[in-house]
Amino acid sequence: NAGVTQTPKFRVLKTGQSMTLLCAQDMNHEYMYWYRQDPGMGLRLIHYSVGEGTTAKGEVPDGYNVSRLKKQNFLLGLESAAPSQTSVYFCASRGQGEKLNGYTFGSGTRLTVV
Amino acid sequence: DQQVKQNSPSLSVQEGRISILNCDYTNSMFDYFLWYKKYPAEGPTFLISISSIKDKNEDGRFTVFLNKSAKHLSLHIVPSQPGDSAVYFCAASAHNDMRFGAGTRLTVKP
Repeated sequence: NAGVTQTPKFRVLKTGQSMTLLCAQDMNHEYMYWYRQDPGMGLRLIHYSVGEGTTAKGEVPDGYNVSRLKKQNFLLGLESAAPSQTSVYFCASRGQGEKLNGYTFGSGTRLTVV
Repeated sequence: DQQVKQNSPSLSVQEGRISILNCDYTNSMFDYFLWYKKYPAEGPTFLISISSIKDKNEDGRFTVFLNKSAKHLSLHIVPSQPGDSAVYFCAASAHNDMRFGAGTRLTVKP
């Protein structure tokens, strides 16, 4: 089925370890986003991309880096994980000129940093 | 600074009655407003949207109302069904990104 695929679905990291979350979409969407969801906070935007080779900071970018080397992929990196980064991470995408159609979200990655 | 606020963490209604979910925003630059529905262990799914040039948009049982002067929008679900039980997120967009509220958990009782 067409959509947004996130890998991995679950991960436990030790403080200080690094990891990369992968988001892949097969809808030829221009725009891609990384959000984190925490209890009582809703979804907060980490970074986003408006096209291949571009990235921009969102509301809570500190401690994260991103790359968009291919149009269909958007990678989120944690260089040195901290317990405050324990969260559920969602990737989303949308096509150009499709603001009213909303974003398509992946099913999430649950990350625990111990 | 949270630009999109959902002040009711939860709402419980009886099956068949109306559910009204509310949302307030602070950024007057927002030009599109959306509602998403989320089930546990799944990503949010798009429900309905409205642009800032309109004050109402209807899709089946779902209607979104926008009051720009009050910077307020609401989602009406009529009639409510048990399958509507989920967390509902209000979202607003300006330029290329979207900001979300904290969500309201709706429970529809049979």
